[in-house]
Amino acid sequence: EDKVVQSPLSLVVHEGDTVTLNCSYEVTNFRSLLWYKQEKKAPTFLFMLTSSGIEKKSGRLSSILDKKELFSILNITATQTGDSAVYLCAVEANNNAGNMLTFGGGTRLMVKP
Amino acid sequence: GAVVSQHPSWVICKSGTSVKIECRSLDFQATTMFWYRQFPKQSLMLMATSNEGSKATYEQGVEKDKFLINHASLTLSTLTVTSAHPEDSSFYICSARVNGRGFYEQYFGPGTRLTVT
Repeated sequence: EDKVVQSPLSLVVHEGDTVTLNCSYEVTNFRSLLWYKQEKKAPTFLFMLTSSGIEKKSGRLSSILDKKELFSILNITATQTGDSAVYLCAVEANNNAGNMLTFGGGTRLMVKP
Repeated sequence: GAVVSQHPSWVICKSGTSVKIECRSLDFQATTMFWYRQFPKQSLMLMATSNEGSKATYEQGVEKDKFLINHASLTLSTLTVTSAHPEDSSFYICSARVNGRGFYEQYFGPGTRLTVT
């Protein structure tokens, strides 16, 4: 069964700190890895990663995938209180049932002023 | 701790039949659970908020008679897709909020893939 594990479960930092969120996975026939940010209504899409070693960047957020070691990290530099959210990782894979998407449980990030 | 499970992880059903998806908080109680659906281009949409012991609150545009939600206990919410059609094929994800906490204390299930043939 496909599995996605995020760590840490929760994280409390102060504004200006840099954080690294981890996502490891065990899936068959990997296709892509997705990062989301959940604040209020529904998770908003951040990044999709398909190739190893290529960093995706958006402002203070960046993410990279390691397909050999089966993990991805999401970095947030110079954190702000508005970064407080649940960050979700999901892995898309292909199995006998077709295209599957498996979510990790999320990392809860709290940024204090 | 704080694990949320979903069952089944994937299901294939025929058009016109109903499918039930379960969302369980395994080691905490959750008065409030949420159901989401994935749309193309990776976006996720909140379908409804499930409240233990009371009726679910549906988002605008979500048919409550089609997507039946039951939150019978503090650890279980179910989503039943009634009279499923191929356009209902999607990923359905649930999350559970720890009792008395805000959005921060929310944990997600792994998701269920529904395919309607």
